[in-house]
Amino acid sequence: DTGVSQNPRHKITKRGQNVTFRCDPISEHNRLYWYRQTLGQGPEFLTYFQNEAQLEKSRLLSDRFSAERPKGSFSTLEIQRTEQGDSAMYLCASSLRSNIPGTGDSYEQYFGPGTRLTVT
Amino acid sequence: AQRVTQPEKLLSVFKGAPVELKCNYSYSGSPELFWYVQYSRQRLQLLLRHISRESIKGFTADLNKGETSFHLKKPFAQEEDSAMYYCALSPRNQAGTALIFGKGTTLSVSS
Repeated sequence: DTGVSQNPRHKITKRGQNVTFRCDPISEHNRLYWYRQTLGQGPEFLTYFQNEAQLEKSRLLSDRFSAERPKGSFSTLEIQRTEQGDSAMYLCASSLRSNIPGTGDSYEQYFGPGTRLTVT
Repeated sequence: AQRVTQPEKLLSVFKGAPVELKCNYSYSGSPELFWYVQYSRQRLQLLLRHISRESIKGFTADLNKGETSFHLKKPFAQEEDSAMYYCALSPRNQAGTALIFGKGTTLSVSS
């Protein structure tokens, strides 16, 4: 499978514990995104990287959350001191710039399968 | 504020019936609009985007800037179209940044 991969697929943790998720993007994609999805909602943007630089962070990303992409390839998302409200599906996506004649640059985001976090 | 609204949580139709999944957006600039689809037990995938003006799997969507809408249409629904559909927006002048998603509409096509 050459698509975006995420590990683990499921994580159950107790409140107060730290968790770390990993995302491996499609190899030639220079942009990587993290989203969070709760039940009944669409994905909500958390942060994104261009290569190793973190370019944007949502206000949803509290100081307990940190994301890294140290070598511009895989990325990790860490949640410290987890709370029950952190229970959600965490989605990773990657993209590559493409040029559509007559309309300019576009980025199609390819999503991974997600990591489902349950905080008990 | 940037917002995408999908007013219907669930749309149930019979096979062969026309389908229209509604999407309205709020954005002050020039957006790029997308439809993403998630079939059962599969990952989220791009269905179509307005700048490509394509028809994918029989689906089309036209950006109506006056009504700020990007409704997804298909003239004859098939059972395999049953899935969750999300409308999403990206600022045109900030291509490649965050996607803003609606809450999604579940399409159920029965025979």
